[in-house]
Amino acid sequence: DIQMTQSPSSLSASVGDRVTITCRASQSISSYLNWYQQKPGKAPKLLIYAASSLQSGVPSRFSGSGSGTDFTLTISSLQPEDFATYYCQQSYTLFTFGPGTKVDIK
Amino acid sequence: EVQLVESGGGLIQPGGSLRLSCAASGFTVSSNYMSWVRQAPGKGLEWVSVIYSGGSTYYADSVKGRFTISRDNSKNTLYLQMNSLRAEDTAVYYCARMGDVLEWLYYFDYWGQGTLVTVSS
Repeated sequence: DIQMTQSPSSLSASVGDRVTITCRASQSISSYLNWYQQKPGKAPKLLIYAASSLQSGVPSRFSGSGSGTDFTLTISSLQPEDFATYYCQQSYTLFTFGPGTKVDIK
Repeated sequence: EVQLVESGGGLIQPGGSLRLSCAASGFTVSSNYMSWVRQAPGKGLEWVSVIYSGGSTYYADSVKGRFTISRDNSKNTLYLQMNSLRAEDTAVYYCARMGDVLEWLYYFDYWGQGTLVTVSS
């Protein structure tokens, strides 16, 4: 089974900050990597698919990069609505989510 | 507009059974990959099961042999039959449609609002 890890598990940041979240797979998954945002009490929302493709309607301050085992999600300028938990997810072999990264207000 | 509406959750005793439903609109369930994803209280997301458009089904090891995913094409509805329920199955269960990139990479692009299953005596 492919295991996913994320770092950090949580971070505190201010509006306007650049935020980077890292996701690592236990084996190479090429670009079979997606990112989601989840706010409390809500269903997850797809942000990035195929490691770097922005889902329609998602603001351009979100970007993704990486391939193989190491991936990053970057928020170029954190906005108030971006405080949430972020999950990576692999679809190379069935589906596995990372443990999540909670972004809260400093 | 794509919509997914789950139902069927509730309080159930350990060892019991429950069937979740996910009514879809705005697209055809049988033409898409469809999944169930769950989230235990205060925890992260866990993929549970998928049914491919061709009918093949797959399960997470944690539910294999106990849960069954299915669909009713006439009702455009996805189901999850859950048997031999355990306390650790307590979670919000989401159904999700899966989009794809040229049928080689799949992602969860539409989600329902979730239905809570609580397994407790």
